[in-house]
Amino acid sequence: DIQMTQSPSSLSSSIGNRVTITCRASQSISSYLNWYQQKLGKAPKVLIFGASTLQSGVPSRFSGSGSGTDFTLTISSLQPEDFATYYCQQSYSTPYTFGQGTKVEMK
Amino acid sequence: QVTLRESGPALVKPTQTLTLTCTFSGFSLSTRGMCVNWIRQPPGKALEWLAVIDGDDDKYYSTSLKTRLTISKDTSKNQVVLTMTNMDPVDTATYYCARGSSGYVVFDPWGQGTLVTVSS
Repeated sequence: DIQMTQSPSSLSSSIGNRVTITCRASQSISSYLNWYQQKLGKAPKVLIFGASTLQSGVPSRFSGSGSGTDFTLTISSLQPEDFATYYCQQSYSTPYTFGQGTKVEMK
Repeated sequence: QVTLRESGPALVKPTQTLTLTCTFSGFSLSTRGMCVNWIRQPPGKALEWLAVIDGDDDKYYSTSLKTRLTISKDTSKNQVVLTMTNMDPVDTATYYCARGSSGYVVFDPWGQGTLVTVSS
Protein backbone atom coordinates (compact mmCIF):
# COMPACT_ATOMS: atom_id res chain seq x y z
CA ASP A 1 0.00 0.00 0.00
CA ILE A 2 1.12 3.59 -0.62
CA GLN A 3 1.49 5.47 2.65
CA MET A 4 0.61 9.17 2.76
CA THR A 5 2.23 11.33 5.43
CA GLN A 6 1.01 14.86 6.11
CA SER A 7 2.73 17.54 8.11
CA PRO A 8 2.08 19.21 10.35
CA SER A 9 -0.76 17.32 12.04
CA SER A 10 -2.09 20.64 13.30
CA LEU A 11 -1.25 24.32 13.07
CA SER A 12 -2.44 27.60 14.50
CA SER A 13 -2.56 30.66 12.30
CA SER A 14 -4.21 34.04 11.97
CA ILE A 15 -6.54 35.54 9.41
CA GLY A 16 -4.63 36.77 6.40
CA ASN A 17 -1.61 34.54 6.94
CA ARG A 18 -0.16 32.17 4.39
CA VAL A 19 -0.53 28.51 5.32
CA THR A 20 1.35 25.57 3.84
CA ILE A 21 0.59 21.89 4.36
CA THR A 22 2.79 19.15 2.98
CA CYS A 23 2.01 15.59 1.96
CA ARG A 24 4.56 12.90 1.17
CA ALA A 25 3.90 9.59 -0.57
CA SER A 26 5.87 6.46 0.21
CA GLN A 27 6.48 5.97 -3.52
CA SER A 28 6.03 8.03 -6.65
CA ILE A 29 2.40 8.76 -7.48
CA SER A 30 3.04 11.12 -10.39
CA SER A 31 0.34 13.80 -10.05
CA TYR A 32 -2.38 11.51 -8.67
CA LEU A 33 -2.84 13.57 -5.52
CA ASN A 34 -6.07 15.16 -4.34
CA TRP A 35 -6.75 17.55 -1.45
CA TYR A 36 -9.95 17.69 0.60
CA GLN A 37 -11.29 20.08 3.21
CA GLN A 38 -13.48 18.80 6.01
CA LYS A 39 -15.39 21.00 8.41
CA LEU A 40 -16.68 19.69 11.73
CA GLY A 41 -19.59 17.33 11.30
CA LYS A 42 -19.56 17.57 7.50
CA ALA A 43 -18.45 15.38 4.63
CA PRO A 44 -15.14 16.28 2.98
CA LYS A 45 -15.10 18.45 -0.14
CA VAL A 46 -12.48 18.36 -2.86
CA LEU A 47 -10.30 21.43 -3.22
CA ILE A 48 -7.55 20.35 -5.60
CA PHE A 49 -7.18 17.33 -7.88
CA GLY A 50 -4.31 16.14 -9.99
CA ALA A 51 -1.94 17.84 -7.54
CA SER A 52 -2.57 21.35 -8.85
CA THR A 53 -5.98 21.72 -10.55
CA LEU A 54 -8.44 23.81 -8.59
CA GLN A 55 -11.89 22.27 -8.32
CA SER A 56 -14.64 24.44 -9.79
CA GLY A 57 -15.99 26.88 -7.24
CA VAL A 58 -13.00 26.71 -4.91
CA PRO A 59 -11.46 30.11 -4.08
CA SER A 60 -8.22 30.95 -5.84
CA ARG A 61 -6.41 31.47 -2.52
CA PHE A 62 -6.07 27.67 -2.48
CA SER A 63 -3.30 26.18 -4.61
CA GLY A 64 -1.51 22.88 -4.91
CA SER A 65 1.87 21.87 -6.23
CA GLY A 66 4.22 18.94 -6.46
CA SER A 67 4.67 15.65 -8.26
CA GLY A 68 6.28 12.31 -7.59
CA THR A 69 6.38 11.97 -3.81
CA ASP A 70 6.21 15.51 -2.40
CA PHE A 71 3.17 17.76 -2.53
CA THR A 72 2.02 21.04 -1.01
CA LEU A 73 -1.31 22.70 -0.35
CA THR A 74 -1.10 26.45 0.15
CA ILE A 75 -3.70 28.90 1.39
CA SER A 76 -2.39 32.31 0.37
CA SER A 77 -4.45 34.38 2.79
CA LEU A 78 -6.29 32.45 5.48
CA GLN A 79 -9.97 33.32 5.84
CA PRO A 80 -12.34 32.55 8.73
CA GLU A 81 -14.11 29.86 6.71
CA ASP A 82 -10.81 28.02 6.10
CA PHE A 83 -10.47 26.74 9.66
CA ALA A 84 -10.97 23.04 9.05
CA THR A 85 -9.11 19.77 8.64
CA TYR A 86 -7.32 19.07 5.35
CA TYR A 87 -6.56 15.64 3.89
CA CYS A 88 -4.43 14.53 0.98
CA GLN A 89 -5.36 11.35 -0.89
CA GLN A 90 -3.52 9.37 -3.54
CA SER A 91 -5.45 7.96 -6.48
CA TYR A 92 -2.46 6.45 -8.28
CA SER A 93 -3.36 2.91 -7.33
CA THR A 94 -5.74 0.94 -5.16
CA PRO A 95 -6.02 0.74 -2.27
CA TYR A 96 -6.51 4.49 -2.37
CA THR A 97 -5.07 6.05 0.79
CA PHE A 98 -5.44 9.27 2.75
CA GLY A 99 -3.02 11.24 4.84
CA GLN A 100 -3.72 11.51 8.55
CA GLY A 101 -5.06 15.05 8.23
CA THR A 102 -3.92 18.56 9.17
CA LYS A 103 -6.14 20.59 11.47
CA VAL A 104 -5.94 24.33 10.89
CA GLU A 105 -6.95 26.27 13.99
CA MET A 106 -7.29 29.93 14.82
CA LYS A 107 -4.36 31.50 16.65
CA GLN B 1 -27.14 17.44 -9.87
CA VAL B 2 -25.22 14.49 -8.47
CA THR B 3 -26.23 13.27 -5.03
CA LEU B 4 -25.43 10.24 -2.89
CA ARG B 5 -27.07 9.08 0.30
CA GLU B 6 -25.99 6.37 2.71
CA SER B 7 -28.48 4.24 4.61
CA GLY B 8 -28.20 1.42 7.09
CA PRO B 9 -28.44 0.59 10.78
CA ALA B 10 -27.20 3.08 13.33
CA LEU B 11 -26.37 0.35 15.83
CA VAL B 12 -24.97 -3.13 15.33
CA LYS B 13 -23.79 -5.70 17.85
CA PRO B 14 -20.27 -7.14 17.91
CA THR B 15 -19.81 -10.10 15.51
CA GLN B 16 -22.81 -9.04 13.41
CA THR B 17 -22.64 -8.18 9.72
CA LEU B 18 -23.16 -4.57 8.67
CA THR B 19 -24.97 -3.82 5.41
CA LEU B 20 -24.88 -0.27 4.07
CA THR B 21 -26.57 1.03 0.94
CA CYS B 22 -25.50 4.01 -1.12
CA THR B 23 -28.32 5.37 -3.27
CA PHE B 24 -27.22 7.84 -5.89
CA SER B 25 -28.69 10.05 -8.59
CA GLY B 26 -27.43 12.33 -11.31
CA PHE B 27 -25.04 9.86 -12.88
CA SER B 28 -24.96 6.28 -14.09
CA LEU B 29 -22.50 3.69 -12.92
CA SER B 30 -22.68 2.33 -16.48
CA THR B 31 -20.96 5.46 -17.75
CA ARG B 32 -17.34 4.79 -18.62
CA GLY B 33 -14.98 5.84 -15.88
CA MET B 34 -17.54 6.18 -13.11
CA CYS B 35 -17.14 4.42 -9.79
CA VAL B 36 -18.52 4.53 -6.26
CA ASN B 37 -16.25 4.41 -3.24
CA TRP B 38 -16.84 3.74 0.45
CA ILE B 39 -14.81 5.64 3.04
CA ARG B 40 -15.13 5.66 6.82
CA GLN B 41 -14.06 7.93 9.65
CA PRO B 42 -13.96 6.89 13.32
CA PRO B 43 -14.91 9.70 15.70
CA GLY B 44 -12.11 12.25 15.86
CA LYS B 45 -9.89 10.27 13.52
CA ALA B 46 -8.75 10.31 9.91
CA LEU B 47 -10.50 9.17 6.77
CA GLU B 48 -9.99 5.54 5.73
CA TRP B 49 -10.79 4.29 2.23
CA LEU B 50 -12.61 0.95 2.20
CA ALA B 51 -13.66 -0.18 -1.27
CA VAL B 52 -14.59 0.82 -4.82
CA ILE B 53 -16.74 -0.62 -7.59
CA ASP B 54 -16.98 0.57 -11.17
CA GLY B 55 -19.32 0.09 -14.11
CA ASP B 56 -17.43 -2.99 -15.32
CA ASP B 57 -18.06 -4.55 -11.90
CA ASP B 58 -14.37 -4.32 -11.06
CA LYS B 59 -13.95 -4.25 -7.28
CA TYR B 60 -11.03 -3.27 -5.08
CA TYR B 61 -10.70 -3.34 -1.31
CA SER B 62 -8.68 -2.02 1.58
CA THR B 63 -5.79 -4.41 2.20
CA SER B 64 -6.41 -4.61 5.95
CA LEU B 65 -10.17 -5.16 5.61
CA LYS B 66 -10.48 -7.13 2.38
CA THR B 67 -11.40 -10.39 4.09
CA ARG B 68 -14.40 -8.72 5.76
CA LEU B 69 -15.72 -6.50 2.96
CA THR B 70 -17.94 -7.13 -0.03
CA ILE B 71 -19.07 -4.41 -2.43
CA SER B 72 -21.79 -4.89 -5.03
CA LYS B 73 -24.02 -2.81 -7.27
CA ASP B 74 -27.54 -2.75 -8.61
CA THR B 75 -27.28 -0.53 -11.65
CA SER B 76 -31.03 -0.54 -12.29
CA LYS B 77 -31.67 0.85 -8.79
CA ASN B 78 -28.65 3.19 -8.77
CA GLN B 79 -27.41 1.56 -5.60
CA VAL B 80 -24.11 0.27 -4.27
CA VAL B 81 -24.08 -2.02 -1.24
CA LEU B 82 -21.20 -2.58 1.18
CA THR B 83 -21.20 -5.44 3.65
CA MET B 84 -18.72 -5.77 6.48
CA THR B 85 -18.64 -8.96 8.51
CA ASN B 86 -17.66 -9.61 12.11
CA MET B 87 -18.20 -6.06 13.33
CA ASP B 88 -16.18 -4.86 16.32
CA PRO B 89 -16.40 -1.72 18.47
CA VAL B 90 -13.33 -0.36 16.67
CA ASP B 91 -15.47 -0.28 13.51
CA THR B 92 -17.60 2.47 15.04
CA ALA B 93 -17.39 5.27 12.49
CA THR B 94 -19.21 7.51 10.06
CA TYR B 95 -19.42 5.67 6.77
CA TYR B 96 -19.47 7.71 3.56
CA CYS B 97 -19.99 6.85 -0.07
CA ALA B 98 -18.55 9.07 -2.78
CA ARG B 99 -18.51 9.13 -6.54
CA GLY B 100 -15.23 8.75 -8.32
CA SER B 101 -14.57 9.49 -11.96
CA SER B 102 -11.89 8.58 -14.43
CA GLY B 103 -8.63 10.41 -14.59
CA TYR B 104 -7.60 11.40 -11.11
CA VAL B 105 -10.42 9.44 -9.40
CA VAL B 106 -11.48 12.41 -7.33
CA PHE B 107 -14.06 11.65 -4.66
CA ASP B 108 -16.78 14.14 -5.54
CA PRO B 109 -19.39 14.54 -4.31
CA TRP B 110 -19.75 12.68 -1.02
CA GLY B 111 -22.87 11.57 0.74
CA GLN B 112 -23.68 13.09 4.10
CA GLY B 113 -22.42 9.99 5.90
CA THR B 114 -24.09 7.61 8.32
CA LEU B 115 -22.83 6.95 11.84
CA VAL B 116 -22.62 3.29 12.76
CA THR B 117 -22.01 2.37 16.38
CA VAL B 118 -20.88 -1.12 17.32
CA SER B 119 -21.94 -2.00 20.82
CA SER B 120 -23.63 -4.79 22.71
